[in-house]
Amino acid sequence: DQQVKQNSPSLSVQEGRISILNCDYTNSMFDYFLWYKKYPAEGPTFLISISSIKDKNEDGRFTVFLNKSAKHLSLHIVPSQPGDSAVYFCAATSDNYGQNFVFGPGTRLSVLP
Amino acid sequence: EAGVAQSPRYKIIEKRQSVAFWCNPISGHATLYWYQQILGQGPKLLIQFQNNGVVDDSQLPKDRFSAERLKGVDSTLKIQPAKLEDSAVYLCASSHNAGNSLQPQHFGDGTRLSIL
Repeated sequence: DQQVKQNSPSLSVQEGRISILNCDYTNSMFDYFLWYKKYPAEGPTFLISISSIKDKNEDGRFTVFLNKSAKHLSLHIVPSQPGDSAVYFCAATSDNYGQNFVFGPGTRLSVLP
Repeated sequence: EAGVAQSPRYKIIEKRQSVAFWCNPISGHATLYWYQQILGQGPKLLIQFQNNGVVDDSQLPKDRFSAERLKGVDSTLKIQPAKLEDSAVYLCASSHNAGNSLQPQHFGDGTRLSIL
């Protein structure tokens, strides 16, 4: 049973445009969400997080939106750059999980020059 | 600050052999995790340590996998005997304080295990 879903395995975007990566979750107990970025042959790197008391968090070119009623979050990258090409993982947890994060399967983003 | 160190980077063994992975977390990080990432999937937690105690090992196949963190710093993950389905990247991660759910995990670069 996949509790965190990323239904788009891949996404291609032109440089300078907006990239939107989506994530859905099924467990209503989740209240803290993170996005990680992963380059080939490297470990995932933390990108941005959001807790359920907010519906938006922004850090430079990266913004995460959370819609609790829809159990949906999205990561917006504006403007997209070729260096953003990587696999993006959504992860979720709750106080009941301690620090046990449940990861989605990832979306591979390709930013075309 | 130095990152999470893992070794080896790659390992190829035959099925039924044993293998061990090593992880050195970021200095001062009390919480250490081992994840298994199968190709095309997200990381799946195998075991979580808080200092030298196990917090969660519910997804660890205990008949063949074992892990320890004896002094609350370095950790080793062992597979014995290995099966074909164990082919994956094994990621180690650490975080500052398991009591604060807002702490992101810092990952090492992983060990890619191939079972022949």
